[in-house]
Amino acid sequence: QKEVEQNSGPLSVPEGAIASLNCTYSDRVSQSFFWYRQYSGKSPELIMSIYSNGDKEDGRFTAQLNKASQYVSLLIRDSQPSDSATYLCAVKADFNLFFGTGTRLTVIP
Amino acid sequence: EAGVVQSPRYKIIEKKQPVAFWCNPISGHNTLYWYRQNLGQGPELLIRYENEEAVDDSQLPKDRFSAERLKGVDSTLKIQPAELGDSAVYLCASSLEAGRLYNEQFFGPGTRLTVL
Repeated sequence: QKEVEQNSGPLSVPEGAIASLNCTYSDRVSQSFFWYRQYSGKSPELIMSIYSNGDKEDGRFTAQLNKASQYVSLLIRDSQPSDSATYLCAVKADFNLFFGTGTRLTVIP
Repeated sequence: EAGVVQSPRYKIIEKKQPVAFWCNPISGHNTLYWYRQNLGQGPELLIRYENEEAVDDSQLPKDRFSAERLKGVDSTLKIQPAELGDSAVYLCASSLEAGRLYNEQFFGPGTRLTVL
């Protein structure tokens, strides 16, 4: 069983702050990691992918991967109310994606 | 570039009735996935197609669920008969070959199924 664990939240941060979302996974051979954003009533939207240890930055988003610790995180800088959503961590194993239950983020104006 | 297209967006049926969902993937994506997402959960894979072949249907409840992907493009997922527990959002996603390291999946808008 491929397990992906996320804190379900809710996580509340003030506007302009840094939001930190965390994810751990059980399968040591996983090579690809993804973050999806899902607004209420909408489908998941891919926002970040990361494959190598270290940081990957894209605009206000930074994904961090530590394969030794089986840990992946997403940082959102200068958080905006429009970032309020559920963030799903997904890990690729055996050609398929395994998702966590998501962390609900609320950015308070 | 058009994204993944799904229809219908919403479906309400009574239990024991049949229902079908349709998906058109992103052009050029030969891998197609059907997921089910229950409230408060992440998507869970039902079936994965590589072209027209169902290469992973281990999580598909085959007593009532069936799927097809004729000609390796559009796909249909069917439930017959539907049960109350089938109420969920059914998501279709597509990607390039699943074996690629850089294999990003893109989701359609989903079909919200309510079984009464």
